[in-house]
Amino acid sequence: GIQVEQSPPDLILQEGANSTLRCNFSDSVNNLQWFHQNPWGQLINLFYIPSGTKQNGRLSATTVATERYSLLYISSSQTTDSGVYFCAPGGDKIIFGKGTRLHILP
Amino acid sequence: GAVVSQHPSRVICKSGTSVKIECRSLDFQATTMFWYRQFPKQSLMLMATSNEGSKATYEQGVEKDKFLINHASLTLSTLTVTSAHPEDSSFYICSAYKTGRTEAFFGQGTRLTVV
Repeated sequence: GIQVEQSPPDLILQEGANSTLRCNFSDSVNNLQWFHQNPWGQLINLFYIPSGTKQNGRLSATTVATERYSLLYISSSQTTDSGVYFCAPGGDKIIFGKGTRLHILP
Repeated sequence: GAVVSQHPSRVICKSGTSVKIECRSLDFQATTMFWYRQFPKQSLMLMATSNEGSKATYEQGVEKDKFLINHASLTLSTLTVTSAHPEDSSFYICSAYKTGRTEAFFGQGTRLTVV
């Protein structure tokens, strides 16, 4: 099955900093999503991005499907951005990477 | 975005009993739903893919007789943990694809504790 690698596994930043999270995947996929899991376990849809670039406020994402990677950019981090960010390529199944645990310090 | 509702949000049951978890797509029809489990500080592990009107497809290592999945309608899938044991304690979460298999939406999750 498809393999998903996310980096870095952990990231601690000061409020206001920018960050880039990376997702590499081993096979071609029909779609790819980024999620933020909040402290209560809820998965928040951030982006549905099988290819190209999208922006939503302080967040943006880019997927280069031909090179099998996706990037999530977070600018001007806030403490509410803390949590785990998952990349999930999908097709017939949706497989999750191990996530990047982000901690934003006030 | 679309809404997926999962119930109950948390449940405590005695060892040996069965627990049913419901996953409903509230504002769209879902031909495909997925069930995941997540242990503390770990990723979501896919347990099974549920297709409306047919048998679920289980991932390797998941006991189909222990985790019964029923997807009887286009808006409801259920996961029943049979003869639960303490090691089944986990966070269970469902998701649903809108038709066209594009974007998936997730329920709130169910925290199961078996005592």
